[in-house]
Amino acid sequence: AQSVTQLDSQVPVFEEAPVELRCNYSSSVSVYLFWYVQYPNQGLQLLLKYLSGSTLVKGINGFEAEFNKSQTSFHLRKPSVHISDTAEYFCAVSQGGSEKLVFGKGTKLTVNP
Amino acid sequence: SQTIHQWPATLVQPVGSPLSLECTVEGTSNPNLYWYRQAAGRGLQLLFYSVGIGQISSEVPQNLSASRPQDRQFILSSKKLLLSDSGFYLCAWSVGGEGQPQHFGDGTRLSIL
Repeated sequence: AQSVTQLDSQVPVFEEAPVELRCNYSSSVSVYLFWYVQYPNQGLQLLLKYLSGSTLVKGINGFEAEFNKSQTSFHLRKPSVHISDTAEYFCAVSQGGSEKLVFGKGTKLTVNP
Repeated sequence: SQTIHQWPATLVQPVGSPLSLECTVEGTSNPNLYWYRQAAGRGLQLLFYSVGIGQISSEVPQNLSASRPQDRQFILSSKKLLLSDSGFYLCAWSVGGEGQPQHFGDGTRLSIL
């Protein structure tokens, strides 16, 4: 069965610093990859997705992620974070042929002034 | 555009009482529908998903059930709530087919006393 590992449960950073949130998934012949953001007491909002093609995917709010098939990773990055980026971030994977998503346990990003 | 509505936003129920949470989607036809439960530090657990009216797949054995009486309506129910049913419940929809992102409602915070 597919699994997703988010290596950091919490990531504190200062405002305007770069950030990388790590995500690894178990190997599969084909996968679709997603990052979601969740603000307190709200649902999840789609940040970006990788379906095929270019391995560098750009999303909303200045985030981007890079698909690395050999390392089975899909890390999320932002070159300069804002206070408003404080939230929990979830990586999710869908295996080819499946309509279901498997989620990681989430990474809480805290941006400090 | 498509929208998803969940209600209520918060609910406090005594142990042993029944439960009904409702989710509706607007602006699309024949969506896939999903119910998740989110526990702190544990990510999202898929409870049920549906690809059409009356078609429900259960992912984990539990005290809950789901129904889809109309194309864009998804209901999560229980006859007798347990303390362990407390949590944040999220409904989501997607277009049918592999690799499709899911779109989430704002969730229901359920507390069992």
